[in-house]
Amino acid sequence: GAVVSQHPSRVICKSGTSVKIECRSLDFQATTMFWYRQFPKQSLMLMATSNEGSKATYEQGVEKDKFLINHASLTLSTLTVTSAHPEDSSFYICSAPRRGGEETQYFGPGTRLLVL
Amino acid sequence: QQQVKQSPQSLIVQKGGISIINCAYENTAFDYFPWYQQFPGKGPALLIAIRPDVSEKKEGRFTISFNKSAKQFSLHIMDSQPGDSATYFCAASNTGGYNKLIFGAGTRLAVHP
Repeated sequence: GAVVSQHPSRVICKSGTSVKIECRSLDFQATTMFWYRQFPKQSLMLMATSNEGSKATYEQGVEKDKFLINHASLTLSTLTVTSAHPEDSSFYICSAPRRGGEETQYFGPGTRLLVL
Repeated sequence: QQQVKQSPQSLIVQKGGISIINCAYENTAFDYFPWYQQFPGKGPALLIAIRPDVSEKKEGRFTISFNKSAKQFSLHIMDSQPGDSATYFCAASNTGGYNKLIFGAGTRLAVHP
């Protein structure tokens, strides 16, 4: 079964509003989680690394003040898209590394954001 | 140096044929090379992964070939089926795969019956 969940799976909002996306590791602790963005028919682009108990590390070109990341606990990271605009419409996916098996990263099912 | 280059961009294969997707990387610190399958509207799912200490890994109909000296790796899908039609991404990471993944551009595979 799924080991990383995301909520919501889909969200539609008006331009200018803020949207929060949750990423949870279901049966393991994750001190680090990764947030990716995927535009239609494109690849996954890493946005930031979420670190439990410390500040997130953002990739070059990603606005820190626009994409707020909070890693509140060992099983939860949140991505808040502030003052969302239509160009922020995308598929947001999180992943969490998990030790002890062949698979090293578990991906969430993704969140589809549509900003009107 | 962080890039992973993937080709082809799209691929059409007849049912029962072999699908081959290639990737190349530059960063010699990469030590984990997974392939992901993604269906529309879904998150990526791990297909198979390889580490640089082996040159080939096979799981069912899926095989990864790895050429460390050329810094290239490829995915072979044997006996391709219509249900394999999806987008495939290669990726690379360091620290054994527990660090961020750098993805290739993706290959859209269509398997015709």
